Amino acid sequence: QQQVKQSPQSLIVQKGGISIINCAYENTAFDYFPWYQQFPGKGPALLIAIRPDVSEKKEGRFTISFNKSAKQFSLHIMDSQPGDSATYFCAAQNTGNQFYFGTGTSLTVIP
Amino acid sequence: EAGVVQSPRYKIIEKKQPVAFWCNPISGHNTLYWYRQNLGQGPELLIRYENEEAVDDSQLPKDRFSAERLKGVDSTLKIQPAELGDSAVYLCASSLDPGTLGYFGPGTRLTVL
Repeated sequence: QQQVKQSPQSLIVQKGGISIINCAYENTAFDYFPWYQQFPGKGPALLIAIRPDVSEKKEGRFTISFNKSAKQFSLHIMDSQPGDSATYFCAAQNTGNQFYFGTGTSLTVIP
Repeated sequence: EAGVVQSPRYKIIEKKQPVAFWCNPISGHNTLYWYRQNLGQGPELLIRYENEEAVDDSQLPKDRFSAERLKGVDSTLKIQPAELGDSAVYLCASSLDPGTLGYFGPGTRLTVL
């Protein structure tokens, strides 16, 4: 059973546009929600993360929006650039320090 | 500072053969993880170490997989015998504490023929 559901599976955005990736979860024991960026042939790299006591976190062009009541969180990439083309994974960590990953979103930013 | 180092980067073996992967975490990182990533999927935890102790190996197929982290530094993951379904990328990650998961190695891509 997939603990974290991620959509869309793939996304194509024009340069300068906004990329939005969504994730949902059911387990209320999750208390930490990171996003990872993975380029081909590389391991995932931590991009940005949020805890459920805040509804939004912004770092540069990357923003996480968190809706605790809906058990949903999303990654927004503003002013998307071709260099942002990668696979993005959301994840959730429970109180036992176990991490569960979404299935990934392949983002392509067209110049 | 060097990141998480893994070797080999690629490995092709025939089914029923043994295979081993090696990981050297970032210096000072007490927590070490082994993940398996199937094509088009997110990573799935195999085992997590706190120093030398395996604190979460609930998803490790213990009939054929084994791991060790002697002296609480580098780690080895072994599969014996390998099956076709073991073809995947095996990722090692490390962190200063178990509450974060920030540093992955490049992975070992295993192909079982």
